[in-house]
Amino acid sequence: GENVEQHPSTLSVQEGDSAVIKCTYSDSASNYFPWYKQELGKRPQLIIDIRSNVGEKKDQRIAVTLNKTAKHFSLHITETQPEDSAVYFCATLRSGGYQKVTFGTGTKLQVIP
Amino acid sequence: GAGVSQTPSNKVTEKGKYVELRCDPISGHTALYWYRQSLGQGPEFLIYFQGTGAADDSGLPNDRFFAVRPEGSVSTLKIQRTERGDSAVYLCASSLGAGGNTEAFFGQGTRLTVV
Repeated sequence: GENVEQHPSTLSVQEGDSAVIKCTYSDSASNYFPWYKQELGKRPQLIIDIRSNVGEKKDQRIAVTLNKTAKHFSLHITETQPEDSAVYFCATLRSGGYQKVTFGTGTKLQVIP
Repeated sequence: GAGVSQTPSNKVTEKGKYVELRCDPISGHTALYWYRQSLGQGPEFLIYFQGTGAADDSGLPNDRFFAVRPEGSVSTLKIQRTERGDSAVYLCASSLGAGGNTEAFFGQGTRLTVV
């Protein structure tokens, strides 16, 4: 089955700096890569996703890059703000007969004002 | 409703008791997932339904756990003879279904505490 590794497990940055979270996966058939943000006590919510036919996607301060050959993808947050503090999970999914989202272990991001 | 609804939001039960956790997915979503999330951990896959059938139940930890979705909408996760290690937040998610890479929407979760 799919194995998703996520690094780092914790990340502290000064407000205004950039944050980068990296994930690697094992299933070469995975072709959809969402990122979820989970604030304390709340449900995970999708913040950005990328499909396998695209190498990079950007949405305001958030960007995701994908290297299918190396089987890794990354989340980039620029100009971080205190409200970016949360746990971020990468995930993979393979389309086909059925879908099963496999999550990484999470990165706790703390943005220091 | 507008989103995935889970009830109850909190459940405290005694060790050895039976519990049922309910998930009401977004209308029209054929895919439904159950996950378990322990404190500080990522969601751990339990079971996936496509319609009424369990397409993948490989994540259920043992035979004390069972889930149903008899009409392809609401799902119930059932835990027999609960143990303290079952304490966690149980998350349900739904998506449009197989054949495409579609977003999974999560419910607020049920926080289960076994005392």
